[in-house]
Amino acid sequence: GAGVSQTPSNKVTEKGKYVELRCDPISGHTALYWYRQSLGQGPEFLIYFQGTGAADDSGLPNDRFFAVRPEGSVSTLKIQRTERGDSAVYLCASSLDAGPNTGELFFGEGSRLTVL
Amino acid sequence: AQRVTQPEKLLSVFKGAPVELKCNYSYSGSPELFWYVQYSRQRLQLLLRHISRESIKGFTADLNKGETSFHLKKPFAQEEDSAMYYCALSGRYDYKLSFGAGTTVTVRA
Repeated sequence: GAGVSQTPSNKVTEKGKYVELRCDPISGHTALYWYRQSLGQGPEFLIYFQGTGAADDSGLPNDRFFAVRPEGSVSTLKIQRTERGDSAVYLCASSLDAGPNTGELFFGEGSRLTVL
Repeated sequence: AQRVTQPEKLLSVFKGAPVELKCNYSYSGSPELFWYVQYSRQRLQLLLRHISRESIKGFTADLNKGETSFHLKKPFAQEEDSAMYYCALSGRYDYKLSFGAGTTVTVRA
């Protein structure tokens, strides 16, 4: 399809394990965002890419979280030494241009991470 | 710091009745306000933005800078309006959104 694709849709892991979440944005969209949504909360900004570079990673909670977008398209969010508090839905979004004011954000269906 | 507050977690109305979802914000600069909606088993999507000043699916929202509010209104609710609604804020030259906690709307027949 033409929408933002995220895999896996569900991931269950054990505390301390390493996890990768993948986002495939809409073709041609230069801006890519990661958000995290905890139960009962709205999405919370994590990181924003413009092209290949992370323009703003101020939302990453700590150094266990890292994201890459090596070719300016697909992005991977990486979480090391997972903790139970990392359990959430991780949302990816893309837009044609930078920022919600210049272009609509299109969200994926999210990756639900459960850390046991 | 920017913050978005949606005071109602749940809102239940009858079909045909008016519905209003409250949103208050705090932001030091010139904010851009949005409403996003998530229908059951669908992904989060933009409903409307205040700069467009348009009505989408019968919904309107007015930015009140004096009261720092951006309430979403519809005069006659329909069953298909049942969804989770999020108010969101961005700086005019910013690229990240700050979301409220959301309001679940149920429209009963």
